[in-house]
Amino acid sequence: EAGVAQSPRYKIIEKRQSVAFWCNPISGHATLYWYQQILGQGPKLLIQFQNNGVVDDSQLPKDRFSAERLKGVDSTLKIQPAKLEDSAVYLCASSQRLAGGNEQFFGPGTRLTVL
Amino acid sequence: AQSVSQHNHHVILSEAASLELGCNYSYGGTVNLFWYVQYPGQHLQLLLKYFSGDPLVKGIKGFEAEFIKSKFSFNLRKPSVQWSDTAEYFCAVTPQTGANNLFFGTGTRLTVIP
Repeated sequence: EAGVAQSPRYKIIEKRQSVAFWCNPISGHATLYWYQQILGQGPKLLIQFQNNGVVDDSQLPKDRFSAERLKGVDSTLKIQPAKLEDSAVYLCASSQRLAGGNEQFFGPGTRLTVL
Repeated sequence: AQSVSQHNHHVILSEAASLELGCNYSYGGTVNLFWYVQYPGQHLQLLLKYFSGDPLVKGIKGFEAEFIKSKFSFNLRKPSVQWSDTAEYFCAVTPQTGANNLFFGTGTRLTVIP
């Protein structure tokens, strides 16, 4: 079974530029998550999708971050414009269902450096 | 608000030593508890989980964890570590009802010296 795919693996940009990350979840997984992991911290949920609908985006800085999962499969997370504090690893995860405790499978992450 | 505390930031052990990593959580309801591991250069993967029942749960690679409800703790243990256990370990919780949001601790880096 293929895992969660993410691209790119690394990205370096200057502040005020825009950047986009792509995620393809495990086939058949209805729920998709984006996490931000800042160095020295645990991952923090940014947004959660169930199929193509947003379940929770309360921690997403909506003035600069946006995400979509238009066809309920793959997803894109965008930052525009980027700030220095956005330097982090962006993790995508998926689970079969939304129900509490459903195991989440993580992708390798995209490491973003904002200069 | 939910929070997860991992008090050990970096643990260094020799091979064959016993391991115990602490995890305490704060949440007003019933939770599911997890330990995730991230080996160098690899993605996060599930080590073990607790939903209900026997508070002592066993995971992969000889790891186990004990849920102590009265202490809001879910400590990870392994009787004898190996060099290949060198990794970062994350404790996480989700509410048993509602959305499946994982709340992670800050992680504990384990270094095992051969």
